[in-house]
Amino acid sequence: GQNIDQPTEMTATEGAIVQINCTYQTSGFNGLFWYQQHAGEAPTFLSYNVLDGLEEKGRFSSFLSRSKGYSYLLLKELQMKDSASYLCAVRDGAAGNKLTFGGGTRVLVKP
Amino acid sequence: ETGVTQTPRHLVMGMTNKKSLKCEQHLGHNAMYWYKQSAKKPLELMFVYNFKEQTENNSVPSRFSPECPNSSHLFLHLHTLQPEDSALYLCASSQDATSGAPYEQYFGPGTRLTVT
Repeated sequence: GQNIDQPTEMTATEGAIVQINCTYQTSGFNGLFWYQQHAGEAPTFLSYNVLDGLEEKGRFSSFLSRSKGYSYLLLKELQMKDSASYLCAVRDGAAGNKLTFGGGTRVLVKP
Repeated sequence: ETGVTQTPRHLVMGMTNKKSLKCEQHLGHNAMYWYKQSAKKPLELMFVYNFKEQTENNSVPSRFSPECPNSSHLFLHLHTLQPEDSALYLCASSQDATSGAPYEQYFGPGTRLTVT
């Protein structure tokens, strides 16, 4: 089975940086996804990590340490539109493309 | 717009009603998924279909009955639901579900279901 933990809520100021941590315990690991979900909308793909290290995509970066069962999503130069929930999801290597999601972290960006 | 549409967007039904949720993907994908998103709980996988064949049933009660007539359409038939089944039901699709490649999933906007 899978156990995925991430903080429930974070608040940050426009223009600042926020780091959302995700820890996981899995019976089989084959990658970790980050999704963004605005209230009332569909989750949308942000990043995928399967090897250790940092993946950078514009203002968003994602880091993975497989030995520590740890990932983070870094949001830089925060904008008001970044206020959303951020979902960490682990892919079970033994089960194809099956994803197990964490509870999500709601980020509130204040002016 | 993710290329995955769901209807209806909102549904209120009584416990004795029968209703169906519909999902359609316009992305040429071969795998489709149903998820349940309840308040203050993680997004929970319900069913997976790959090339129209069901590959995953995550111990979902039989009052939820999925149907996948082709790779572009997915239904969730509902009957004799309970109030605790009230949630957002999300459909997703991806290129494949069993090949081992990390295909990202594209989500629809969801159906907000209220069972009274």
